[in-house]
Amino acid sequence: AQSVTQLGSHVSVSEGALVLLRCNYSSSVPPYLFWYVQYPNQGLQLLLKYTTGATLVKGINGFEAEFKKSETSFHLTKPSAHMSDAAEYFCAVRHGRGSNYKLTFGKGTLLTVNP
Amino acid sequence: GAGVSQSPSNKVTEKGKDVELRCDPISGHTALYWYRQSLGQGLEFLIYFQGNSAPDKSGLPSDRFSAERTGGSVSTLTIQRTQQEDSAVYLCASSLGLAGDEQFFGPGTRLTVL
Repeated sequence: AQSVTQLGSHVSVSEGALVLLRCNYSSSVPPYLFWYVQYPNQGLQLLLKYTTGATLVKGINGFEAEFKKSETSFHLTKPSAHMSDAAEYFCAVRHGRGSNYKLTFGKGTLLTVNP
Repeated sequence: GAGVSQSPSNKVTEKGKDVELRCDPISGHTALYWYRQSLGQGLEFLIYFQGNSAPDKSGLPSDRFSAERTGGSVSTLTIQRTQQEDSAVYLCASSLGLAGDEQFFGPGTRLTVL
């Protein structure tokens, strides 16, 4: 079975500071990993994904994440936070094989950015 | 092109009534997913369609929940005899149906059961 743990339901940073949102997963097969962002009253938007290949993945809005198999982690980072980054962030995992492509999500991390 | 659309955006109903939620996926996407987002449970998978068939219904919480998809396009999620615990945001997503591809999410339907 797959599961995702996001450490910290709420992270607060100052504008310009480093953003680090933590995600650990468990999966019995090589995983496909995703980070989604959700702005208030909107659906989910894909930030980035890891499927195969390069373990450092760059996404939209200056975010990136690194897949570390040995640590079963896929932490999301951004060097300098902007006010517009305030949102809820979800890490998700999916089987890389088979016909069942459902996503298993973490509980989410609410990011607030202080001026 | 158009993204995933869902209707209605908001639905308020009385306990015991039936509701239908609609999802229009991105044209050409063969895979369609329903998820539920609630305060207590986070984001939960409900059901997955590949074409018109549903190989995975494992997330449907009870037999009051059902879904269908016709013409490989529009999907309807039906909740019969609604309960207060059904109150949540119901999200629909679609994808090309290939391993590793992105799921595109709609804006959701906020269901409130009084």
